[in-house]
Amino acid sequence: TQLLEQSPQFLSIQEGENLTVYCNSSSVFSSLQWYRQEPGEGPVLLVTVVTGGEVKKLKRLTFQFGDARKDSSLHITAAQTGDTGLYLCAGGRGGGNKLTFGTGTQLKVEL
Amino acid sequence: EAEVAQSPRYKITEKSQAVAFWCDPISGHATLYWYRQILGQGPELLVQFQDESVVDDSQLPKDRFSAERLKGVDSTLKIQPAELGDSAMYLCASTPGLGTAHTQYFGPGTRLTVL
Repeated sequence: TQLLEQSPQFLSIQEGENLTVYCNSSSVFSSLQWYRQEPGEGPVLLVTVVTGGEVKKLKRLTFQFGDARKDSSLHITAAQTGDTGLYLCAGGRGGGNKLTFGTGTQLKVEL
Repeated sequence: EAEVAQSPRYKITEKSQAVAFWCDPISGHATLYWYRQILGQGPELLVQFQDESVVDDSQLPKDRFSAERLKGVDSTLKIQPAELGDSAMYLCASTPGLGTAHTQYFGPGTRLTVL
């Protein structure tokens, strides 16, 4: 059962456009991670946020953790073709480091 | 840079056959995870090991799936017999240990196709 719902499920945009991906849950998480996965490869960690309201920036990517630690967003400014991939949020609870992954957002950036 | 190794990368089998996947985590990583991922969806945890002990296998279909990490280093995931619905990517990941917000390092996965 996926407890983290991502939207949109699919996104196809032109290079240079901005976009936002949302990750929502009814559950509280102690941490929230965002991963990017390319075809045929495993997910690669982009960022970890642990404090409600926290905002982190990674070049053109901006990540926000909701105040109640139930939701998160990823904003990409001026998307590039290299941003193409499957974006996954993952929530962590407790001390066992078990992650619950979101449903995924498939992003395609075209020239 | 240390990586999680998995083999084989691709496996095609017929239903009712047995298959096995191997994972070698990053050296020194005590916690190892096996996930199953349907194409385009998020990974779902099958089993978590801490050293050689199973921490969580609540989502592992134990009638056909088994996993072991005998010496607390590399691990094997087995399916017997394979069913059509088992077609998926099987991912292995590792972390240094238990604790919140540890980065999980993923291997490249094994793509299983059951015919």
